Amino acid sequence: AQSVTQLGSHVSVSEGALVLLRCNYSSSVPPYLFWYVQYPNQGLQLLLKYTSAATLVKGINGFEAEFKKSETSFHLTKPSAHMSDAAEYFCAVSEPGRRALTFGSGTRLQVQP
Amino acid sequence: DTAVSQTPKYLVTQMGNDKSIKCEQNLGHDTMYWYKQDSKKFLKIMFSYNNKELIINETVPNRFSPKSPDKAHLNLHINSLELGDSAVYFCASSQGASGAYNEQFFGPGTRLTVL
Repeated sequence: AQSVTQLGSHVSVSEGALVLLRCNYSSSVPPYLFWYVQYPNQGLQLLLKYTSAATLVKGINGFEAEFKKSETSFHLTKPSAHMSDAAEYFCAVSEPGRRALTFGSGTRLQVQP
Repeated sequence: DTAVSQTPKYLVTQMGNDKSIKCEQNLGHDTMYWYKQDSKKFLKIMFSYNNKELIINETVPNRFSPKSPDKAHLNLHINSLELGDSAVYFCASSQGASGAYNEQFFGPGTRLTVL
């Protein structure tokens, strides 16, 4: 069975600082991995996805994530935080043959001025 | 042009009532989903339909009944509402034969409050 663990329910950074949101997964087969962002009172928007091509994946709004099989991790990073990055971030996993996403518990990112 | 739309956006009702949430997607996708997000923001799959056929039915009480009249619509009917049904319900859609690696597009959510 697949699962996702997001370390840190809340992360606070200063504007301009590095953003690092952690995600570890458990899957019996090579997974597909996703990061979604949810702004207040809105639906989820895809930031980026890993589908077994390049291990370093670039997404929208300057975010990127690196798939590390040895560490079963897919951490999300952004070199310089912006106030508009404040939101809830979800890591999700999907396995071939199973269409539904399994989500982590989410990490709320706060950006301090 | 809204890709995935849900109605209503807010739904406040009494325990024991029956209510429906509607979802429509104009992306031409063949697969639609219902997810439930609880008060702690945890998201969990409830149902998935592919070409109007139910393909995922998680451990959801049978008071919840999805219905897909066509590929573009997936509705959720809930009977005998309970306090624990209070949550945000998200509809999503995706395209592809395997589907697992394709992006899911989410609707704006329906916030259900049961009093």
